[in-house]
Amino acid sequence: AQSVTQLDSQVPVFEEAPVELRCNYSSSVSVYLFWYVQYPNQGLQLLLKYLSGSTLVKGINGFEAEFNKSQTSFHLRKPSVHISDTAEYFCAVRNNNDMRFGAGTRLTVKP
Amino acid sequence: KAGVTQTPRYLIKTRGQQVTLSCSPISGHRSVSWYQQTPGQGLQFLFEYFSETQRNKGNFPGRFSGRQFSNSRSEMNVSTLELGDSALYLCASSLVGGGTSDTQYFGPGTRLTVL
Repeated sequence: AQSVTQLDSQVPVFEEAPVELRCNYSSSVSVYLFWYVQYPNQGLQLLLKYLSGSTLVKGINGFEAEFNKSQTSFHLRKPSVHISDTAEYFCAVRNNNDMRFGAGTRLTVKP
Repeated sequence: KAGVTQTPRYLIKTRGQQVTLSCSPISGHRSVSWYQQTPGQGLQFLFEYFSETQRNKGNFPGRFSGRQFSNSRSEMNVSTLELGDSALYLCASSLVGGGTSDTQYFGPGTRLTVL
């Protein structure tokens, strides 16, 4: 069975600083990878996804992620964060009919 | 296009009662998945429906059930509620879902509180 590990439960960062949210997965077969963001009292919103092809994926709100097959990682990055990026971020992996989410990383952007 | 809608947004029930939650997917989407989100367990997959058939099921007791109608709208039911069922229940729709590369679009969720 596949699994997803988000290595940091909380990431505090100052406004305009860069940020990286780390995600590792385990699977014996090819997978599809996703990053979602959840704002308070809302559902999940897709930031970006990796299906195949270029390992660098660009998403909404200036986020990007890099798929690294050898390290089974899919880290999310943003070069300069805003206060409005404060939210919970979830990494997810899908294989066949199985969709698994990581435990989430709480990103807090401080002024 | 309208997004995924879930009703009601908030619900308070007492132990032993049952509850029905509703989800209307994005127009044209035929797959609906349900998730339970709690602080302790995170996001856990409940089940997925496609063309009125349950295609996949997570590791939840039989008290949790669902169905899908011909218009792709879905309901989930929880019987004999327990305190531990308090959670945010999220519905997600996608075109065909399953093992495809489809994106799941999430609704705002229904916050269930069991007293």
